Amino acid sequence: DIQMTQSPSSLPASLGDRVTITCRASQDIGNYLRWFQQKPGKSPRLMIYGATNLAAGVPSRFSGSRSGSDYSLTISSLESEDMADYYCLQSKESPFTFGAGTKLELK
Amino acid sequence: VQLVESGGGLVQPGKSLKLSCSASGFTFSSYGMHWIRQAPGKGLDWVAYISSSSGTVYADAVKGRFTISRDNAKNTLYLQLNSLKSEDTAIYYCARLTTVATYWGQGVMVTVSS
Repeated sequence: DIQMTQSPSSLPASLGDRVTITCRASQDIGNYLRWFQQKPGKSPRLMIYGATNLAAGVPSRFSGSRSGSDYSLTISSLESEDMADYYCLQSKESPFTFGAGTKLELK
Repeated sequence: VQLVESGGGLVQPGKSLKLSCSASGFTFSSYGMHWIRQAPGKGLDWVAYISSSSGTVYADAVKGRFTISRDNAKNTLYLQLNSLKSEDTAIYYCARLTTVATYWGQGVMVTVSS
């Protein structure tokens, strides 16, 4: 099975900061990588698909990138509504696997 | 698109439970569907997938115990949970994960405890 190693597990940050979350794939997954945002008590929301494509309705301060087997989600200027948990998901092959998650919180 | 799960509850270890997910707003029979769970305070955990042609795939942790199925005439997705363990306690979401969009239900809680 493909393992997704996500870091950091917790990310304290200030409003206006540029923040980056990373997932490393244990095998080649091409661009079959999505990023989800989840707020307490809510279902996950798709933010990025195909590693670099912004999902519909997602603010342009979010972006996705890839460098080899490392995939990153970047928020260019943190806003209060971005405080949430973030997860990567590989869908290259079954079983699909999520990263362990990153809790983005105010410093 | 709307996905509504039901069938959760409190169940003893070793017992069974069947979850349902009622789908509307799209042609259900044309899409593969997933079950994804989240233990209290923990991360997302992919559970199972069924294709539009009813091919199935399972996570190792549930293989042999859980069965995903679908009834296209009823626009309903199912997850049969057998031989339940305490570590199966979680919110269970049904989801449609297409390339450019995803749709999730609100989730249903399953608690495995004596």
